[in-house]
Amino acid sequence: ILNVEQSPQSLHVQEGDSTNFTCSFPSSNFYALHWYRWETAKSPEALFVMTLNGDEKKKGRISATLNTKEGYSYLYIKGSQPEDSATYLCAFLNQGGKLIFGQGTELSVKP
Amino acid sequence: DTGVSQDPRHKITKRGQNVTFRCDPISEHNRLYWYRQTLGQGPEFLTYFQNEAQLEKSRLLSDRFSAERPKGSFSTLEIQRTEQGDSAMYLCASSITLNTEAFFGQGTRLTVV
Repeated sequence: ILNVEQSPQSLHVQEGDSTNFTCSFPSSNFYALHWYRWETAKSPEALFVMTLNGDEKKKGRISATLNTKEGYSYLYIKGSQPEDSATYLCAFLNQGGKLIFGQGTELSVKP
Repeated sequence: DTGVSQDPRHKITKRGQNVTFRCDPISEHNRLYWYRQTLGQGPEFLTYFQNEAQLEKSRLLSDRFSAERPKGSFSTLEIQRTEQGDSAMYLCASSITLNTEAFFGQGTRLTVV
């Protein structure tokens, strides 16, 4: 059974705060680690696809790191804004192409 | 191409009835995934296809669930003899290769009464 765990389950921050979330995944049979943002009433949208140990990706104020040997990834949001409020999902892709999601971290940013 | 399309968007059915959902992936996307999502949870893996081949089905799924992808294009998910516990959002996603992200449809919300 593949376990993808995310923490925290939810996070409430003030506008301007920086935040980070954790995703842990199996370190064997790894192919890629995905991060998605899921806003209410919309479909999940990809933020990053990371494949190499030590990968760092950045998109605006959001960045992510990957450690495949120990099986974890961090997502960082610098200077959170109310429009960042969403559920952030990570997903583990194994070498057979199976994509397994964590339970998500729900972020709420108050103005 | 307008993205991944799912039909219907909403379905209300009586317990014991069969339901079928359809997913049209993005053209040329050879991978197709089905997930179930309930409130407060992440998408739960149901099954996935590479072209027309179903590669894996979740062991958590009962035999009441079946999926097909004839000709490697659209896919259908059928639930037989629905139960109240089947009420959830059913999501479909597709991707073109292992190295690219998955694109999601807007989901089918099933309510079993």
